[in-house]
Amino acid sequence: SQQGEEDPQALSIQEGENATMNCSYKTSINNLQWYRQNSGRGLVHLILIRSNEREKHSGRLRVTLDTSKKSSSLLITASRAADTASYFCATDGRDDKIIFGKGTRLHILP
Amino acid sequence: GAVVSQHPSRVICKSGTSVKIECRSLDFQATTMFWYRQFPKKSLMLMATSNEGSKATYEQGVEKDKFLINHASLTLSTLTVTSAHPEDSSFYICSAHNPGQSNEKLFFGSGTQLSVL
Repeated sequence: SQQGEEDPQALSIQEGENATMNCSYKTSINNLQWYRQNSGRGLVHLILIRSNEREKHSGRLRVTLDTSKKSSSLLITASRAADTASYFCATDGRDDKIIFGKGTRLHILP
Repeated sequence: GAVVSQHPSRVICKSGTSVKIECRSLDFQATTMFWYRQFPKKSLMLMATSNEGSKATYEQGVEKDKFLINHASLTLSTLTVTSAHPEDSSFYICSAHNPGQSNEKLFFGSGTQLSVL
């Protein structure tokens, strides 16, 4: 069954603005990951945050994790047209399986 | 990084035929690969875990006889959709961990868009 659930499901913002996507999950985790998917393509790993971490940065990406609320957020700063894609959070489950959320479709307007 | 190659990227077939999709790890050995299915604008649903040298582990609700998985070597897993029907039309994606790097991060193939007429 699906573990993570992102919101919003779809987000359109102007180029240059910041984009924030949220993810909630149900069970305890060891880590949470964010992936990006361009239309009709495979997924690309963006960032991993462990359960004992609260915040992590990678370039224009900032991820937070609140294990008490079972939620995470992905912030993309100074968005670009090339950031248009779907973004998924993923949590580790039983037997090394990674379970994906429903995703947020991000559209950067020129 | 690590490269996972998936082939074909797109296939159109007639109802009743079987389709084989290949997933290769190009620069690492993958004892475990994962097969996902994705409907338009939806998330990835894990179908099965492919284990090298042993039987695949299927998720609940996934028909083993319908979706045959073979993981004959450390670099190749195949998914065969048998007797395909229009409802099998979907985007299929494989993935693998690179044990040399991390058992947490997944590397994905580019996906296969299956259209059954």
